Amino acid sequence: DGGITQSPKYLFRKEGQNVTLSCEQNLNHDAMYWYRQDPGQGLRLIYYSQIVNDFQKGDIAEGYSVSREKKESFPLTVTSAQKNPTAFYLCASTSSGPGQETQYFGPGTRLLVL
Amino acid sequence: RKEVEQDPGPFNVPEGATVAFNCTYSNSASQSFFWYRQDCRKEPKLLMSVYSSGNEDGRFTAQLNRASQYISLLIRDSKLSDSATYLCVVNKGSGTYKYIFGTGTRLKVLA
Repeated sequence: DGGITQSPKYLFRKEGQNVTLSCEQNLNHDAMYWYRQDPGQGLRLIYYSQIVNDFQKGDIAEGYSVSREKKESFPLTVTSAQKNPTAFYLCASTSSGPGQETQYFGPGTRLLVL
Repeated sequence: RKEVEQDPGPFNVPEGATVAFNCTYSNSASQSFFWYRQDCRKEPKLLMSVYSSGNEDGRFTAQLNRASQYISLLIRDSKLSDSATYLCVVNKGSGTYKYIFGTGTRLKVLA
């Protein structure tokens, strides 16, 4: 089955710790995204990548880092610089080309701070 | 002004009712419009894209009004299973792959 997988489903972070959230897609999509969702708020863009080896900051990139070494993978690292990391993190992808801009989402990772 | 605005609700409606949601957007360069459905503690899932001519999918109808910069979603014959949060999504402009999400409108269909 084609789709987007995220792991883990739940992640606990200690003070001063970096943690990495995994996102993998087998949809052959070019563009991938990371969003953060807080209760009662809309999705906010952290980083996005339109092609391999290239990525751009979104609206709330501070305290986060990404890499895009392979088309199917776009991991997100939440660094210790992110002071309020507790949130629901969603990875998404889209194919390129006219009429193919629909975003598909993975099941998400809930990050909690201990 | 927010880039995409939705009435947060909640909209509490009886089964079988017709309910409509509106969403306004501020960027006149936006070209792509979508409605997503998000269940509690789950990821958003595409409900339908919104085209200039309007489009219908079963009980769901979406409309776009470019002049007034709003999109709408109409749900007819509401089912209990329609209870969810409905997100309005707009792209930032032609040739961009950045999207702006509304905060969502919560719908609860009552038996």
